[in-house]
Amino acid sequence: NAGVMQNPRHLVRRRGQEARLRCSPMKGHSHVYWYRQLPEEGLKFMVYLQKENIIDESGMPKERFSAEFPKEGPSILRIQQVVRGDSAAYFCASSRDRGNDQPQHFGDGTRLSIL
Amino acid sequence: AQTVTQSQPEMSVQEAETVTLSCTYDTSESDYYLFWYKQPPSRQMILVIRQEAYKQQNATENRFSVNFQKAAKSFSLKISDSQLGDAAMYFCAYRSANFGNEKLTFGTGTRLTIIP
Repeated sequence: NAGVMQNPRHLVRRRGQEARLRCSPMKGHSHVYWYRQLPEEGLKFMVYLQKENIIDESGMPKERFSAEFPKEGPSILRIQQVVRGDSAAYFCASSRDRGNDQPQHFGDGTRLSIL
Repeated sequence: AQTVTQSQPEMSVQEAETVTLSCTYDTSESDYYLFWYKQPPSRQMILVIRQEAYKQQNATENRFSVNFQKAAKSFSLKISDSQLGDAAMYFCAYRSANFGNEKLTFGTGTRLTIIP
């Protein structure tokens, strides 16, 4: 499968635990975007990363959330001390280059449930 | 900031008929991109169609076409010959053409049901 790979598909955490969501972009893609979809809502932009750089984090909550995209390996979205309100589907998208004409290809998402 | 509005939370159509999903947006920019994404129950986000704002010609992809009215800031999706596999959530999305603002802004979606 040459598409955007996200894992796990489903993640269950208890309040106060940490959640780590992983995203491997399509082959040849070096740009990653994270979006969050709350129940019955559209996707909301969180953060845009290039290898080893955060380009735009204007949609990231100020506390508990962080993202990285190291030189080697997948992009990681990390949520510390999770709360019930973090329950959502988290989608990753990737593009080959920077530029607004570059299409974003989406993964299947990670559904995070907080007990 | 740009906003995208989908005023129809749910729509239904008879199989083989035509349905139009509405989308309006608000922006002060003159150059941008508009998209329709489909999200079936599997939750995968599938790009259906894309329109560049500088193009006057409406985009078409097989049974899917758009009616892009730039002055009215309207971007509706028409699905012809509806099929059972078209049942899904449909999201309208906006993307600036300004370098440095690559994020997608989505509407709240329209749930489309196909009646056999």
